[in-house]
Amino acid sequence: KAGVTQTPRYLIKTRGQQVTLSCSPISGHRSVSWYQQTPGQGLQFLFEYFSETQRNKGNFPGRFSGRQFSNSRSEMNVSTLELGDSALYLCASSLTKGARETQYFGPGTRLLVL
Amino acid sequence: DAKTTQPPSMDCAEGRAANLPCNHSTISGNEYVYWYRQIHSQGPQYIIHGLKNNETNEMASLIITEDRKSSTLILPHATLRDTAVYYCIVRPPNSGYALNFGKGTSLLVTP
Repeated sequence: KAGVTQTPRYLIKTRGQQVTLSCSPISGHRSVSWYQQTPGQGLQFLFEYFSETQRNKGNFPGRFSGRQFSNSRSEMNVSTLELGDSALYLCASSLTKGARETQYFGPGTRLLVL
Repeated sequence: DAKTTQPPSMDCAEGRAANLPCNHSTISGNEYVYWYRQIHSQGPQYIIHGLKNNETNEMASLIITEDRKSSTLILPHATLRDTAVYYCIVRPPNSGYALNFGKGTSLLVTP
């Protein structure tokens, strides 16, 4: 079974621009979560989606948004990019929801904001 | 959420067992202990999880103390490819999917 895939793998943007990142979960998985990883803050939870609904959201500004499609694929969008948004953005999928469900991570999208 | 405490770094010789400790003294009865690792610049990789009993899979063993206040991840025969940051995470049952990674333990396996 193919793993979680994320596109693009690398991205360079300038301040003020917006960006859309894509995540395809493992086949059959209905949950997708997004995380941001920076050297200073480590891995931080952004939001999670299950059956096209956002179930939980981390402590990030409204510039960060996401959505999930009926095929469980997910996108996240960051508007009005800031230098501090430079990070590795990770997507994880799991079969359903709940503490017993294991999340499987993709390779990430590395975003550099100039 | 229960907090976890891990040593910031550890060394292990190749071929020896790597024992990574984690303290979670405030864990409640229905919270799971999960271990992930992250090799440099890659996505985190699931290793193992448990609730009360010790667990073993092809990658590692998880030993949870009887009072559940601490656990140890054991890599039985560490290889250079096991060099990574290891995260111990406690998950409440109603936390949804959010994983609180903390700072983890940076394990260096040396030849």
